[in-house]
Amino acid sequence: EAEVAQSPRYKITEKSQAVAFWCDPISGHATLYWYRQILGQGPELLVQFQDESVVDDSQLPKDRFSAERLKGVDSTLKIQPAELGDSAMYLCASSLDSGEAAEAFFGQGTRLTVV
Amino acid sequence: RKEVEQDPGPFNVPEGATVAFNCTYSNSASQSFFWYRQDCRKEPKLLMSVYSSGNEDGRFTAQLNRASQYISLLIRDSKLSDSATYLCVVNRFNKFYFGSGTKLNVKP
Repeated sequence: EAEVAQSPRYKITEKSQAVAFWCDPISGHATLYWYRQILGQGPELLVQFQDESVVDDSQLPKDRFSAERLKGVDSTLKIQPAELGDSAMYLCASSLDSGEAAEAFFGQGTRLTVV
Repeated sequence: RKEVEQDPGPFNVPEGATVAFNCTYSNSASQSFFWYRQDCRKEPKLLMSVYSSGNEDGRFTAQLNRASQYISLLIRDSKLSDSATYLCVVNRFNKFYFGSGTKLNVKP
């Protein structure tokens, strides 16, 4: 069964350091999402790509976060510098751009701890 | 106002019980609706899509009321393995909006 791949699974970093997460969506899925989930809350959208273009990054803290999907396939999310409040689960998801019934498929996530 | 609102619970029920979760959404232009299940420290996984006509999958029944902007999930004959957080999700123009989740604990 096709899966969304994410790495690393876990990351511990010191505040003010740079950290990067990688995501490879399901083949053929044009839409890719990065979500952040704080414990006890639902996932919140950080950035949405349609192919290589950013569709929505209104909730991305652009002073420290950046995201790219250069060839419209895999994607990288970077944080520089990391802050204590960035500790969370970072989830990548993808979906077919096939209309309103399409579901989102999630990767296993990267659990980030900033110390 | 949040896009999707859910009672966070927890709902503590005995095995075999029937339990119902509700969810409301704020934007009437929302197009499609889902329930996702999330186990502790794992990723969300689709449980079922929700249709206006209602749909059933084994012990799980989902209902959508567009007029009231209300979604429900009914779990019959609860199993220990149903213990998880259930996320209500709406899709509008290819964006997914998540509730904060309802935690279910099924006890022996």
